[in-house]
Amino acid sequence: QSVLTQPPSVSAAPGQKVTISCSGSSSNIGNNYVSWYQQLPGTAPKLLIYDNNKRPSGIPDRFSGSKSGTSATLGITGLQTGDEADYYCGTWDSSLSAGLVFGGGTKLTVL
Amino acid sequence: EVQLVESGGGLIQPGGSLRLSCAASGFTVSSNYMSWVRQAPGKGLEWVSVIYSGGSTYYADSVKGRFTISRDNSKNTLYLQMNSLRAEDTAVYYCASQYTVTSFDYWGQGTLVTVSS
Repeated sequence: QSVLTQPPSVSAAPGQKVTISCSGSSSNIGNNYVSWYQQLPGTAPKLLIYDNNKRPSGIPDRFSGSKSGTSATLGITGLQTGDEADYYCGTWDSSLSAGLVFGGGTKLTVL
Repeated sequence: EVQLVESGGGLIQPGGSLRLSCAASGFTVSSNYMSWVRQAPGKGLEWVSVIYSGGSTYYADSVKGRFTISRDNSKNTLYLQMNSLRAEDTAVYYCASQYTVTSFDYWGQGTLVTVSS
């Protein structure tokens, strides 16, 4: 049971847009920055978004992030077959068991 | 170019111990926040532990008291000492550097730890 809640799967056609949600609480998303990761099969995660909506160097602007209250959203436009992967959100949780937490992950299928 | 290379994984019996290593090149381990993140087979990511540049350490409740994170500045290497291993510790263990307090930029390729009799 992950602290952050993501939909298990989303799907869309090539060229379309998709959003992936990440729901938390005031002890995590509500008061901390959110990051997003892409994990292709058999590889390590890759940072897509940090500090809610900033992209590291080399990440195309097809990827975007936003946060509102205790929820965050990853958006991907112009979907490509190469975007098919698992996506994770992450943040700090300042509850009694303080530490970094991740969502359960969302499998993106590009139809 | 930044590289993180983990080693030390393998098959270990329940109750046993293992030490993972993460050798870094292209940047300085002691100057960065460094974490271990694990992923059980077919499951999501789970943060395990962090060591800050100042030396403070923090652990997930699931490993507190059993795992110890450390670093050797002279070898530019991060470690994870894992004791009293349980079946539920079976996972690929990644070392990762933190870009910000809440994000990880560089990741190793991972090392598989299998706890089974």
